[in-house]
Amino acid sequence: LAKTTQPPSMEAYEGQEVNVSCSHTNIATSEYIYWYRQVPHQGPQFIIQGYKDYVVNEVASLFISADRKLSTLSLPWVSLRDAAVYYCIVTDNYAQGLTFGLGTRVSVFP
Amino acid sequence: EAAVTQSPRSKVAVTGGKVTLSCHQTNNHDYMYWYRQDTGHGLRLIHYSYVADSTEKGDIPDGYKASRPSQENFSLILELASLSQTAVYFCASSDWGGNTGQLYFGEGSKLTVL
Repeated sequence: LAKTTQPPSMEAYEGQEVNVSCSHTNIATSEYIYWYRQVPHQGPQFIIQGYKDYVVNEVASLFISADRKLSTLSLPWVSLRDAAVYYCIVTDNYAQGLTFGLGTRVSVFP
Repeated sequence: EAAVTQSPRSKVAVTGGKVTLSCHQTNNHDYMYWYRQDTGHGLRLIHYSYVADSTEKGDIPDGYKASRPSQENFSLILELASLSQTAVYFCASSDWGGNTGQLYFGEGSKLTVL
């Protein structure tokens, strides 16, 4: 049973805000939520992590529902460079490696 | 900025041949990982290591060996390459300090087995 569920794809135009959702209905109290993205021909890159409420950094913001079963990655004013696959990962055992699912492919149009 | 470099970046191998993929990190990280990615799929963990001279099996270790001769270097070895091992391989490192959850990935090694 998959730990996270994300939409397979999303589309946006440059300048729009993109919100990528991730469902993790069985998240444990010890688990954190991580978001990575991968552009073609590169390895994944860490974006943001959170446990509850709202987290923001220079790249994105992360909203986590009160019951922690849903998280939303928000990318403000996307550009063509934001076209990538976005992965949501939930774990408390990160030292043994993160498990990457299929992610959400975000396409950005000019 | 963390630095993880992989070599070779691309390789063509013959079925049954031996392939070694190398990874070098200059981050002073304890943890290193090898993943494979098949076209249109997510990343799957092959082997990892948290200290020199020790390796651990990941989710799909069959057909692969790993070697961690030093903190900086982590190799993935395919003793008898097979067609099914055609994929892009990624190395990553992390120190997991402060529960940052941040893996630093290399740029990948594309392996084609013919």
